[in-house]
Amino acid sequence: KAGVTQTPRYLIKTRGQQVTLSCSPISGHRSVSWYQQTPGQGLQFLFEYFSETQRNKGNFPGRFSGRQFSNSRSEMNVSTLELGDSALYLCASSPDGGDGYTFGSGTRLTVV
Amino acid sequence: GENVEQHPSTLSVQEGDSAVIKCTYSDSASNYFPWYKQELGKRPQLIIDIRSNVGEKKDQRIAVTLNKTAKHFSLHITETQPEDSAVYFCAASVQAGTALIFGKGTTLSVSS
Repeated sequence: KAGVTQTPRYLIKTRGQQVTLSCSPISGHRSVSWYQQTPGQGLQFLFEYFSETQRNKGNFPGRFSGRQFSNSRSEMNVSTLELGDSALYLCASSPDGGDGYTFGSGTRLTVV
Repeated sequence: GENVEQHPSTLSVQEGDSAVIKCTYSDSASNYFPWYKQELGKRPQLIIDIRSNVGEKKDQRIAVTLNKTAKHFSLHITETQPEDSAVYFCAASVQAGTALIFGKGTTLSVSS
């Protein structure tokens, strides 16, 4: 059974640019959550999607957005990148949300 | 929303000793409490979880206890080994429908 796949694995962007990250969940999982991981801050919750609807949202500015497609694949977008957006972005999928989350390997975003 | 506090932030033990990591949560509606282990450069992986209708759960050298009245739960690792060295995250959620909120992590170092 394929795991959670995130692409790309590494990304370098310039301040002010925008970026789109992709996440393919485990087959049959309908919930996808996104987390930002930085040293000392742990895993900060960005948002959760379930059946193409954003069900939960963390405390991040509106520059961070996402969506989920009918096949449960999800994308997150960050516009007007700032140096502080440099982080590991992790996606996790779950059958219905709330429990049973499996993480992908993440996308390492560096903003220069 | 839910807030999860985790202590200590770092923990150093000798091989064979026990290690205990503690977490508190704020939302009394939370009823699912997983623990994830993240080795350097790898994705977080679920090692054990507990639901609110259970006070304790064991899996070989790992155990988790839950005190719903006090709203805290703990991870216990016995007979620690060097391969237990990693960052451990606790989390809490209401099963199905809300996001998984994480503590900031504990870096466990086991020296031989």
